[in-house]
Amino acid sequence: QVQLVESGGGVVQPGRSLRLSCAASGFSFSNYGIHWVRQAPGKGLEWVAVISYDGSNEYYADAVKGRFTISKDNSKNTVFLQMNSLRAEDTAVYYCAKGGNYQNYLDYWGQGTLVTVSS
Amino acid sequence: DIQMTQSPSSLSASVGDRVTITCRASQSINIYLNWYQQKPGKAPQLLIYTASSLQSGAPSRFSGSGSGTDFILTISSLQPEDFATYYCQQSYTTPLTFGGGTKVEIK
Repeated sequence: QVQLVESGGGVVQPGRSLRLSCAASGFSFSNYGIHWVRQAPGKGLEWVAVISYDGSNEYYADAVKGRFTISKDNSKNTVFLQMNSLRAEDTAVYYCAKGGNYQNYLDYWGQGTLVTVSS
Repeated sequence: DIQMTQSPSSLSASVGDRVTITCRASQSINIYLNWYQQKPGKAPQLLIYTASSLQSGAPSRFSGSGSGTDFILTISSLQPEDFATYYCQQSYTTPLTFGGGTKVEIK
C-alpha cells in the first residue's frame, strides 16, 4: 500500500534552517510528482511546493519562493524540503503528498510533521 | 493566483441529511477541481478529483459536480463519520490553491 512518512520537524529559531524528509513506498516513486502542503495551527491548507516525477521541474508558493527548496532522490524514494530563513509564519504541520496521474490532485498524504519557528 | 471560495464556512446537519458545499474559482478552471475531507489531527484524504471522479475507497454517498468556476460537493445521506472539514482545491495551474474549508458539525 502507498505510504508517505515525513520526518525532520521540530522547534527552530527564526532565521535558522531545517530540512524535512518524505520517505515513500508502495508505488513507482520515479513516475509521480510529490507535493508539500502545510497547515498552520487552527488554519486551512496551504500548498507549498511540487517537484516533478523526474525532479526536473519545481514550483513554489510565493510565500516560500527563494527560501525553500524541494528536491527528489529517486534512488532513495525520498523527497526533501530544505527550509532556510525560517519565519514565525512558517510554523505549521507540513504534509507531503503524492500527485495523481499526470494531474495535480493529491491522492495520498503522509501523517505530517510539525515545524515550530520560535525564539 | 486563482482564488477558491467555499461556502458555507460551517454548517450543522443531522445524520441522514443531504448536504451540499459549494466552491467557486476566481477564473475558469475547467474541471480541475478536487475535494478533500480532513478530520481533527489527521491528514486530509482525497474524496473527489477532476470535479466528479470518486477516489478509490471513498464512499459512494459523496459526489461532485460542476465545471468552469462553480462546483458542488454533495453528501447524499450524512453519516456519523462524515463530520469533518472539507476543502476544495484547484489543480488547473500552480500555485495550487485551496478553499478556506467547510466544517460540517452535528446538529
